[in-house]
Amino acid sequence: SQTIHQWPATLVQPVGSPLSLECTVEGTSNPNLYWYRQAAGRGLQLLFYSVGIGQISSEVPQNLSASRPQDRQFILSSKKLLLSDSGFYLCAWETGWGAEETQYFGPGTRLLVL
Amino acid sequence: GENVEQHPSTLSVQEGDSAVIKCTYSDSASNYFPWYKQELGKGPQLIIDIRSNVGEKKDQRIAVTLNKTAKHFSLHITETQPEDSAVYFCAASKDNNDMRFGAGTRLTVKP
Repeated sequence: SQTIHQWPATLVQPVGSPLSLECTVEGTSNPNLYWYRQAAGRGLQLLFYSVGIGQISSEVPQNLSASRPQDRQFILSSKKLLLSDSGFYLCAWETGWGAEETQYFGPGTRLLVL
Repeated sequence: GENVEQHPSTLSVQEGDSAVIKCTYSDSASNYFPWYKQELGKGPQLIIDIRSNVGEKKDQRIAVTLNKTAKHFSLHITETQPEDSAVYFCAASKDNNDMRFGAGTRLTVKP
């Protein structure tokens, strides 16, 4: 069966510091991978998605970047965090073929920028 | 692009009552409609989904209905229990990389 991992689970970082959040998927190959941000009490904002190694699409301009160095690894980064980067970050995967496929979410990383 | 609207934003029901959450979508080409449940501090979990060739789907106390003509779909939870309390998200998509989520409904089931 497929599983998705995210770490760290929680993170407190000062403004201006770098960020690296990691997401890995097990039990599938060539998945589509997604990064979402969820502000407190709000919906899901799609940040990035990737259909393959080295292929990143950005949905909104921002202070963040994403990379996919391996097939089942997706990394969210920032060189200098802003207060507004605080939130709950979710990684999701779906099979990379066919249509109408479900996205499955990881446990999330709660980021607090102080 | 697709726009999904979800109502209500908050819903409070008494244990044992039914709860209904409604979503509308704008892109008539959308053909897949999942529902997610998100408990506090966790990632959303798929609870039920429906595809465009089906009008209704049921799984125990949970059911989803789809009206493609009106472009709306609904989640129905019967005999609600306190553990049903969570935030529920609807979504719509027509192919990969194109899933759009509603803003969420916070459901509270009072014992």
